[in-house]
Amino acid sequence: DGGITQSPKYLFRKEGQNVTLSCEQNLNHDAMYWYRQDPGQGLRLIYYSQIVNDFQKGDIAEGYSVSREKKESFPLTVTSAQKNPTAFYLCASSIGPGTVAEAFFGQGTRLTVV
Amino acid sequence: AQKITQTQPGMFVQEKEAVTLDCTYDTSDPSYGLFWYKQPSSGEMIFLIYQGSYDQQNATEGRYSLNFQKARKSANLVISASQLGDSAMYFCAMRDTGGFKTIFGAGTRLFVKA
Repeated sequence: DGGITQSPKYLFRKEGQNVTLSCEQNLNHDAMYWYRQDPGQGLRLIYYSQIVNDFQKGDIAEGYSVSREKKESFPLTVTSAQKNPTAFYLCASSIGPGTVAEAFFGQGTRLTVV
Repeated sequence: AQKITQTQPGMFVQEKEAVTLDCTYDTSDPSYGLFWYKQPSSGEMIFLIYQGSYDQQNATEGRYSLNFQKARKSANLVISASQLGDSAMYFCAMRDTGGFKTIFGAGTRLFVKA
């Protein structure tokens, strides 16, 4: 079955710690995205990547970092510089630029600072 | 700049009735795609329907149809014969063919009453 896998589903972070959220896709999609969702709100773009070894900041990139060493993988690190990291994080992928194909989403990771 | 506006934070509908969820958008690009996603309480984003800016006919997918009025820049989602399982958040989204970002509205929470 093709799809996007995010792990873990729930993650707890202590103040001052970095944590990494995993996102893997087997859809052979070029583009991948990370979104943040706060309660009762829409999705805000953190980072996106069009191809391997390339990524761009989205609207709220401060305090986050990403890498794209493989086409299938796009991990997101929430650093200690992110002042309010408690949120629901969604990873998505799509075919790539030049099309308007829909994005496919993972199940999400709920991050809580304790 | 591109923008998606959903003005209904919450909507109620009786089971088996139809409901319209509003979405207006703003873009200067002539070529773009409009999407609707459903987000149940479990958190995953489920793609429902797509409308291309050059499509002459309104998109339909089962009980979902998209009322596309290009001149008014609106892309309302119509759900016919509502079911209890339709209770969820619904997001309108847009992406242009030259861009790599999908932008989302704030969402509408739909409650289906038995």
